[in-house]
Amino acid sequence: AQSVTQPDIHITVSEGASLELRCNYSYGATPYLFWYVQSPGQGLQLLLKYFSGDTLVQGIKGFEAEFKRSQSSFNLRKPSVHWSDAAEYFCAVAPHASGGSYIPTFGRGTSLIVHP
Amino acid sequence: EAGVVQSPRYKIIEKKQPVAFWCNPISGHNTLYWYLQNLGQGPELLIRYENEEAVDDSQLPKDRFSAERLKGVDSTLKIQPAELGDSAVYLCASSSGLGDTEAFFGQGTRLTVV
Repeated sequence: AQSVTQPDIHITVSEGASLELRCNYSYGATPYLFWYVQSPGQGLQLLLKYFSGDTLVQGIKGFEAEFKRSQSSFNLRKPSVHWSDAAEYFCAVAPHASGGSYIPTFGRGTSLIVHP
Repeated sequence: EAGVVQSPRYKIIEKKQPVAFWCNPISGHNTLYWYLQNLGQGPELLIRYENEEAVDDSQLPKDRFSAERLKGVDSTLKIQPAELGDSAVYLCASSSGLGDTEAFFGQGTRLTVV
């Protein structure tokens, strides 16, 4: 079964600074990979996804992530953080589906705190 | 296009009482998921439906939890009787089920059992 590790429970950055949130997964093959963001009291919003192809993936709100097969990682990055980026970030992994649906497995999340 | 709709947003009940949550997925989405999210944790799958069939319910505590998706559209998750430890956010998600598409999440129902 697949699993996801987000080693940082909290990350604190200053507004305007760069950001990198770490995600490592365990799975026997190349999985589907996702980053979701959750603001307080809200559901999960997809930031970006990797299914295949280019290992550097661009998402919404200026985020990007890079899939590194050799490191089993899918770290999320943003060059300049805005105060509105403060939220909980979840990495998720799912096995490839052959014409059917899949089950995303989530990490425990990383809480991003942004200082003015 | 409307997203995944869940109701109620918040629910407070006394322990041993029943409770039900409702989810209406995105139109045309065949796959529906119910996730449980405890405070400070990531979502954990409770059950997945393909149309009206529950195809993965191994994580659903069947002694007190039940779910249905009778017409393959909206779904209900029920707890009877509720326990203090059931206090959490219950998230519903849907996807088209066609492989390379993501799951879309509702805003969740926050359950507090007192």
